[in-house]
Amino acid sequence: KQEVTQIPAALSVPEGENLVLNCSFTDSAIYNLQWFRQDPGKGLTSLLLIQSSQREQTSGRLNASLDKSSGRSTLYIAASQPGDSATYLCAVLNSGYALNFGKGTSLLVTP
Amino acid sequence: DAGVIQSPRHEVTEMGQEVTLRCKPISGHNSLFWYRQTMMRGLELLIYFNNNVPIDDSGMPEDRFSAKMPNASFSTLKIQPSEPRDSAVYFCASSFTSGVFLAKNIQYFGAGTRLSVL
Repeated sequence: KQEVTQIPAALSVPEGENLVLNCSFTDSAIYNLQWFRQDPGKGLTSLLLIQSSQREQTSGRLNASLDKSSGRSTLYIAASQPGDSATYLCAVLNSGYALNFGKGTSLLVTP
Repeated sequence: DAGVIQSPRHEVTEMGQEVTLRCKPISGHNSLFWYRQTMMRGLELLIYFNNNVPIDDSGMPEDRFSAKMPNASFSTLKIQPSEPRDSAVYFCASSFTSGVFLAKNIQYFGAGTRLSVL
C-alpha cells in the first residue's frame, strides 16, 4: 500500500524567504505526483502536476521536482509571501484514478 | 465553468439521523470521487465512479455509507445512521479520465461539506 509522508508538518517563515517542502512515497510505480494547496474552509487547488516521466515542473514562484527512483519530491517556493500561507498537500497517482495523499505541511508566512 | 459544487457546506446533525451530501461535477468530466478528510487519517478515497458506474468502493467504511450517481451531473453520499465518528470534511472531486493520458489526469475538488454529528 502506498504511503505518502510530508515533512515538516508545520513551518513558519518570515516573508521573503525561499522554502522547501518535502514529500516521500514508498511505491515508485506512479503515474504522476501532484501538489495541492488547501486554504482553511476551502477545497483543494492543484498547483503543479509532474508526470512520472518528468523531473520537474514550474509555475511562477513554485518549482516542484520528482525523483521517482528514490521516492521523493520537493516543492520550492521562492520569495514567500503572506498570501502563500496555507496547507500544502502532496499526492501520488498509482492506479488510473486513486490519489494517495500525504497529511500536508501547514505553512505560515509572517509579514 | 463553476467548478465542482457541493452542498451543503456545513451539516450539523444528531447521532442516528440520515445525512445526504450532494455533488455536481464539472460538465464534461467522466470521473467522480468522494473523499473524507480527518485530522487523524488525512484525505482518504471513499468511492470512485467512472461514467456514472461505481468502480471502486473499497474505501467506504461501513454499510452505513452509500453513494449513487444517477446521471453525469449529480452524485450523492448518504450516511444512515450517522455516528459521531463520521464527523469530518467530505470532498467531491471530478476529472476527465482518458486511458491514454492517465499521467495528465488532474482532479478538481469542490469546497467540501463539513459534517458534525453530535
